[in-house]
Parts: sequence; structure tokens; C-alpha cells
Amino acid sequence: QVHLNQWGARLLQPSETLSLKCAVYGGSFDFYYWTWIRQTPGKGLEWLGEINQSGTINYNPSLSSRVSISVDTSNNHFLLRLISVTAADTAVYYCARGVHRRHPPSRFYQYMDVWDKGTTVTVSS
Amino acid sequence: SSELTQDPAVSVALGQTVRITCQGDSLRNYYASWYQQKPGQAPLLVMYDENIRPSGIPDRFSGSSSGNTASLFIAGAQAEDEADYYCNSRDSGENHVLFGGGTKLTVL
Repeated sequence: QVHLNQWGARLLQPSETLSLKCAVYGGSFDFYYWTWIRQTPGKGLEWLGEINQSGTINYNPSLSSRVSISVDTSNNHFLLRLISVTAADTAVYYCARGVHRRHPPSRFYQYMDVWDKGTTVTVSS
Repeated sequence: SSELTQDPAVSVALGQTVRITCQGDSLRNYYASWYQQKPGQAPLLVMYDENIRPSGIPDRFSGSSSGNTASLFIAGAQAEDEADYYCNSRDSGENHVLFGGGTKLTVL
């Protein structure tokens, strides 16, 4: 049974860098998109970006100037960095396993099937 | 447009059927996936591809798709189905992931 566990600093000051690491246990690291998502208090889900084992990375365009995602395949970890944080970055951060497949003949599907429990990160002076 | 639109709130009487919808141009190329989120919990995948339920999801949940609209149906809604529901897709042109704004389902 695959499960994910993340860790990192949970209280930051404005202008600092958010760094979170997510470890993948009990399953293959290959063939998936490893994904970061956040949820600000009382609001919906916001996709931050994803990476696969070959290093293909996609970012949310609204955050692409501040966010970076990397992968450590030797340890089955993937990492999120968000620079120059503000109070608006206060949120619950989730890491998740993403699947992106073709549905013949001409459509596709994608989903996140495994999520960690989430980490609350607070940005405050 | 790379957005997914959901009704903010929907209610259903206990035991009745409810439809939760999601609209967006990306749904013409990608089947939606659906997530249930209860307070203080991580989202839970309840539907993906055209109409596939992950293991453990009750068969009262079903999905459909037509044009730019995806629907999640709950037949015989139970009190435990009260939650926020999010749809999810992908913008193939820009290669990024989309979430709808969420629908708060109330079971009366």
C-alpha cells in the first residue's frame, strides 16, 4: 500500500523560503507525476506543480516565478521550494501521486490517487 | 479557457439522488476526476476516467461526461456523503492541472 509522508518547516516569516519534502513508501516511483497541491484557509484546492521520475516538470503559471520542484529518485523523495513567501502562502500543503493516461481513442484522464495528510504552513511575522 | 466551474453549493434530501456538475473546455479532451473532502481531512479520490470508482468507494457514486460538462452522481445520498466535492482535469495545451472551485454538498 503506497503512502506519502511530508515534512518541513511549518512557521515562516515573510520573504523566507518554504521547503517541504515528501517521501514515497511502499510503491514504485516510476510512471507517476509527483504533485504538490495547497489549500488556503476556507478555500479550494490549488495545484502547484508536478514532476515525474525522468525530471519532466510542470508548474502552475501563477506561481512559476517562485516555485520549484525537484526529485530525489535514489531516496524516493520529491521536494517543493517556494521563495519569497507572504501571508497569502499560508495554507495546508499536500503532496500526492498523480496519474496521467490516455483513454483511447482520443481522450485522456488524470487524477491524484494517493495523498498525504497535509501540512499546515503559516507565514507570519 | 483553462478553468473548471462548479456550483458553490448543492443540497439533497437523505436517500435521494444528487448531481454535481463541472464545466470547462478541458473536459472535451480529459475526463474529470472527482474528490471528496471532509473537514480537516485530505481529499479522497472518488471517481476517475469516464466512470471508474477506486476501491472502497460505494457504488452509489457514479460519473458521466458530455461535451464540456462532467457530472458526479450520488444515488441514495447518505449523511456521510456531506462534504466538499472538487473536480479535476488537465489543460492539455498548457500541460497543467486544473481544479474546480468545489461544491459543498449538504444532505438534509
